[in-house]
Amino acid sequence: QVQLQESGPGLVKPSQTLSLTCTVSGGSISSGGYYWSWIRQPAGKGLEWIGRIHGSGGTLYNPSLMSRVNISVDTSKNEFSLRLTSVTAADTAAYYCARDPGDWFDTWGQGTLVTVSS
Amino acid sequence: EIVMTQSPATLSVSPGERATLSCRASQSVSSNLAWYQQKRGQAPRLLIYGASTRATGIPARFSGSGSGTEFTLTISSLQSEDFAVYYCQQYNNWPKTFGGGTKVEIK
Repeated sequence: QVQLQESGPGLVKPSQTLSLTCTVSGGSISSGGYYWSWIRQPAGKGLEWIGRIHGSGGTLYNPSLMSRVNISVDTSKNEFSLRLTSVTAADTAAYYCARDPGDWFDTWGQGTLVTVSS
Repeated sequence: EIVMTQSPATLSVSPGERATLSCRASQSVSSNLAWYQQKRGQAPRLLIYGASTRATGIPARFSGSGSGTEFTLTISSLQSEDFAVYYCQQYNNWPKTFGGGTKVEIK
């Protein structure tokens, strides 16, 4: 059974870069034809899809964040990563990684809270 | 971007009763809709995809219906573990978008 686990700093200063990693266990990130997505949720609010990457490296981003987002994959470590540049308080949220069969999200990490504050 | 609107925002239901949650899309999404359950402090869990197909391990008391712009999630007999927030998500158009959620609380 595939499991996902987010990791990274819980506090980022304004204007700096948010960097998170999602480690996949119980299955290979490069097999099965899956995509791997990042989704975020500000406290008490709804969900926002950030973007996704295929095990082969192809990416797709939410247009609202496209100019600031980069998602990469490291198949040797079975993990994928999120970089979000020039962060502001509006980027404070719980960040989730999820397995994406191409449409819905069938397996989620537990989430990690990132606060943007000086 | 397709806007997903869920109603009501909060639904108060007694255990054992039926709960009906609605999700409306700003334009047709065909049957490309999923439902998720999120409990406090936890990640969302996939319940339904393809508007009406239950995900693996999801109890039969959860059912989904609808197509086009109007969708419904029905919980036939609420159990204590079902009190949570429910989100719909469309995947017909990019970017994938979620509704604002319906909180199902104990009456």
